Amino acid sequence: GAVVSQHPSWVICKSGTSVKIECRSLDFQATTMFWYRQFPKQSLMLMATSNEGSKATYEQGVEKDKFLINHASLTLSTLTVTSAHPEDSSFYICSVELGETQYFGPGTRLLVL
Amino acid sequence: KQEVTQIPAALSVPEGENLVLNCSFTDSAIYNLQWFRQDPGKGLTSLLLIQSSQREQTSGRLNASLDKSSGRSTLYIAASQPGDSATYLCAVPRGDSSYKLIFGSGTRLLVRP
Repeated sequence: GAVVSQHPSWVICKSGTSVKIECRSLDFQATTMFWYRQFPKQSLMLMATSNEGSKATYEQGVEKDKFLINHASLTLSTLTVTSAHPEDSSFYICSVELGETQYFGPGTRLLVL
Repeated sequence: KQEVTQIPAALSVPEGENLVLNCSFTDSAIYNLQWFRQDPGKGLTSLLLIQSSQREQTSGRLNASLDKSSGRSTLYIAASQPGDSATYLCAVPRGDSSYKLIFGSGTRLLVRP
């Protein structure tokens, strides 16, 4: 299977700051990565699809100007939460697909104070 | 619109018991169905993937079944162990993409020693 890493694993920031989360595919090249968000005691919700070399596609209700996605290489996608607010506090998880199976990163927990 | 439901939301069993987790989906036109395990504060681990043409898949003590016509899947865990304690999520691909997953809300399992 694929190995996916995320960095950082957790981050605490003040309201109004921007936070960048990295998702790396360690053992194969991924033209597409997915970003999910999980609020406490809720399930994962797809936020956006990150496409290498082109613009990300966002799910309905997800602000593209707030959640900036950059997929500059076949092994790295970044999600930047701009001007973060307490309601953005969540668990952010990325995934890649290999064959028909999705492989998920370990997640990044964001707490905005 | 596809909706995925899991029952029960939480389950506590003594070690050694066999148990069944349930997943239902509203649109039977699915490519496949995946079961995942999520440990607290961690990412997801893929357990089993069942193709739409299959009725079941087995991996060790885990057995997943799929009944497309009734919109149901079950995950059977034999001889449960404390290490099985985690949240179990089922997911199906969204209709417009085999890679964008719709998750159930999960079943939190606690296996007591």
